[in-house]
Amino acid sequence: QKEVEQDPGPLSVPEGAIVSLNCTYSNSAFQYFMWYRQYSRKGPELLMYTYSSGNKEDGRFTAQVDKSSKYISLFIRDSQPSDSATYLCAMSARINAGKSTFGDGTTLTVKP
Amino acid sequence: DGGITQSPKYLFRKEGQNVTLSCEQNLNHDAMYWYRQDPGQGLRLIYYSQIVNDFQKGDIAEGYSVSREKKESFPLTVTSAQKNPTAFYLCASSIGRQDTTIFGQGTRLTVV
Repeated sequence: QKEVEQDPGPLSVPEGAIVSLNCTYSNSAFQYFMWYRQYSRKGPELLMYTYSSGNKEDGRFTAQVDKSSKYISLFIRDSQPSDSATYLCAMSARINAGKSTFGDGTTLTVKP
Repeated sequence: DGGITQSPKYLFRKEGQNVTLSCEQNLNHDAMYWYRQDPGQGLRLIYYSQIVNDFQKGDIAEGYSVSREKKESFPLTVTSAQKNPTAFYLCASSIGRQDTTIFGQGTRLTVV
């Protein structure tokens, strides 16, 4: 069983929709939770990170962490065609991203 | 502009040959990492280095080798011992804090 499971997708939504991307994990030692966005044939870019449980908002993006349920989510409001990409969740037990464990990614398509 | 430069972008290799992927960063980051990404999968850690002249194996180090002779450079050699080397290879670096992890644009290696 993988330590991190990500909703596989693919996900296709109309422009303006609210998108929910989700991951579950089994390692209770994870404390740092990240979301990366990866466009086709490009390297991932760090979108958001949170420490421990709670919410973090950045513009149209909100990251939620529920450590009691071992569940994290990324919400995208007013989705745009430019949000079309693969989203990877990642988590670590240290503040060092190099030792993170990644989900397999969810590919999102936002249709105009 | 600061960042990570991976070269080449595309690389073709004959079976039985070793090949070296270049990764250079001008961010003055201490830590550097190599990941492998296969279609529909997340990132798997190959090797990482926290300081010059030191590196550790990641989850899938077999068939790979690295060196860290300079702070800005972390080349990865894919040896003939790697049985399934065709993949997308990503180099990353960090200063240690989560919000400063940067990925390169990747090298796509194909064995022909």
